[in-house]
Amino acid sequence: GESVGLHLPTLSVQEGDNSIINCAYSNSASDYFIWYKQESGKGPQFIIDIRSNMDKRQGQRVTVLLNKTVKHLSLQIAATQPGDSAVYFCAENRNSGYSTLTFGKGTMLLVSP
Amino acid sequence: DAGVIQSPRHEVTEMGQEVTLRCKPISGHDYLFWYRQTMMRGLELLIYFNNNVPIDDSGMPEDRFSAKMPNASFSTLKIQPSEPRDSAVYFCASSLTVDEKLFFGSGTQLSVL
Repeated sequence: GESVGLHLPTLSVQEGDNSIINCAYSNSASDYFIWYKQESGKGPQFIIDIRSNMDKRQGQRVTVLLNKTVKHLSLQIAATQPGDSAVYFCAENRNSGYSTLTFGKGTMLLVSP
Repeated sequence: DAGVIQSPRHEVTEMGQEVTLRCKPISGHDYLFWYRQTMMRGLELLIYFNNNVPIDDSGMPEDRFSAKMPNASFSTLKIQPSEPRDSAVYFCASSLTVDEKLFFGSGTQLSVL
């Protein structure tokens, strides 16, 4: 089955609200996680990453939280803007074998003005 | 740097024809990845190279798919013969290391009729 999955396939918010996109992972050995943003017709774009020795990391208007106890990852976007509308993917490095990234199916974020 | 460059952006072909997708990674990146994206299966890793050598091709669907990297600045993904079920967006990505963030190209939208 899918080891990197998202709880909400579509998230609709109003401009200015804070958005939270969630991701569950099943491999406790995973040690590196990334959030990507994909706009229509474009390739995935790196947003922020976090290693398993951290619980939280902040970027510009974005924060990633990692809860290793329940194998949960979240992306928080502050003051969401229409330009944030896109599909957001979480990806994990399972730290086994060839250790390439495994991507979840994605969550669509829709921001209304 | 111009980022990862893929060509063509769109390809429409008939079943049975040969299709060749091209990629130029970011200069200095030792790893190059080919992904396929569909609505049903999301982002799937097809193959990746390290220093021009194929490392893991377990994601290549079948013998109709082949990939080469003749030098550090160029890779191709070939499908011969193509089938309608190959219709998808194909992404090339590159990175400095195998387990860190990938930089994606804009993708090739392939339609096999």
